[in-house]
This record gives sequence, C-alpha cells and structure tokens, in this order.
Amino acid sequence: GESVGLHLPTLSVQEGDNSIINCAYSNSASDYFIWYKQESGKGPQFIIDIRSNMDKRQGQRVTVLLNKTVKHLSLQIAATQPGDSAVYFCAENTGGFKTIFGAGTRLFVKA
Amino acid sequence: EAGVTQFPSHSVIEKGQTVTLRCDPISGHDNLYWYRRVMGKEIKFLLHFVKESKQDESGMPNNRFLAERTGGTYSTLKVQPAELEDSGVYFCASSLGTTQKVSPDTQYFGPGTRLTVL
Repeated sequence: GESVGLHLPTLSVQEGDNSIINCAYSNSASDYFIWYKQESGKGPQFIIDIRSNMDKRQGQRVTVLLNKTVKHLSLQIAATQPGDSAVYFCAENTGGFKTIFGAGTRLFVKA
Repeated sequence: EAGVTQFPSHSVIEKGQTVTLRCDPISGHDNLYWYRRVMGKEIKFLLHFVKESKQDESGMPNNRFLAERTGGTYSTLKVQPAELEDSGVYFCASSLGTTQKVSPDTQYFGPGTRLTVL
C-alpha cells in the first residue's frame, strides 16, 4: 500500500558534522519527492524536492538523493548547525496533488 | 508577503461539541490543502481545493468533517460532533498552481491548529 517510512525516529549529530536522514517509500509510481523541516510550533517548511527523472539535487547545504531501484530517499545536510534541529519529513506524490508524508525524524544537533 | 495563517492556534473542546478551524492561504494561491497529524503519527492528507472546488477529499475521515472554501479564498474545516480521536494538529497549506496544471507545486504550510478533544 501507499506508505512512506523512515529508518530512524531520532538522529543526534555534532555541530559541524554532516547529517544524513533516510527515508523508504513503497509506491513505485511516485514521481515527486519532497523534504520538509518542521520546527517547534511551526508548520512544515519546504526544504528541497526532486522528481523521479533525477537521482540527485543540491540546494544550499542540503542534497537529496533518490534511488528508485531500492525506493530510497535521503537528505544530506552539510556542516549541521544548531538551527537545523527540527523534525524532518519526507513526502511523496504520485502525480496528483495528494502528498503522502512519512512519520518524521527528529534531528538533534549537539553544540 | 504574508504566509498561510490559521486560526485558532489552539482549541480545547469537549466530546460532542463543534469546532471550526479557519485557514487563510497565501493571496493568489488557487490550491488549498488540509492535513492532520495525530500525535506521534505521520501527517495525513485530508483534502484539496482548487479555488472553491473540492478536487480530492479522499482523506476526510468521515462525515463529521466538513470543509468549505466559499469564494475560493479562505477555507474552514468544521468537526461536528467532535470525538476524542479527532485530537491532533490540523495543518493547512496552499500552493500557487493553476486548474490546468497536473503536477504538484511547492506547498506552503501554516503553523497549524492544535485541537484537543476531552
């Protein structure tokens, strides 16, 4: 069935290190993937997206990798900062506007 | 530019009461979405408006939930009567889109309304 899951519910990293947040999806028909960041008391904030015709996309300090063979998505954050502490959600679309979210991974950044 | 706003930020009601949540999307955004996050679980899609029309309401839990978007601007989500399992955070999002566009565009989320049903 449709589901987007996360390998780890929490991730703790040292400030300055790189973070990698992983996500598995089950619907091979999904063609658009998004990463969101949610800080306490706020709604999800768009970070970066990738379409299924790509396997890598880079933003400012963030990179999303898509492996369609194993249906795996990851978010890499370079030089993690305290302000990166938040819950990160991966999400997918199957061509329409309905977005399916994963449960979220909480990222802790240790100073 | 003002973002998506939601009102109220918190609502505490008793089982059986009625609650109405409001969402004001970003001005000019045709697409409006409602989502819900029950504690500890994933954010789940409820429905999608294109202007004033319901495009997809497949995620609405049951007929106790009624969403409207009269005039294609702000939207309301009414829960009547509320049950304990309706507790959670209700998010609204909007995106620019057009009625001809079939692929999703970036959704901007509001801060959410935290609903507690006692």
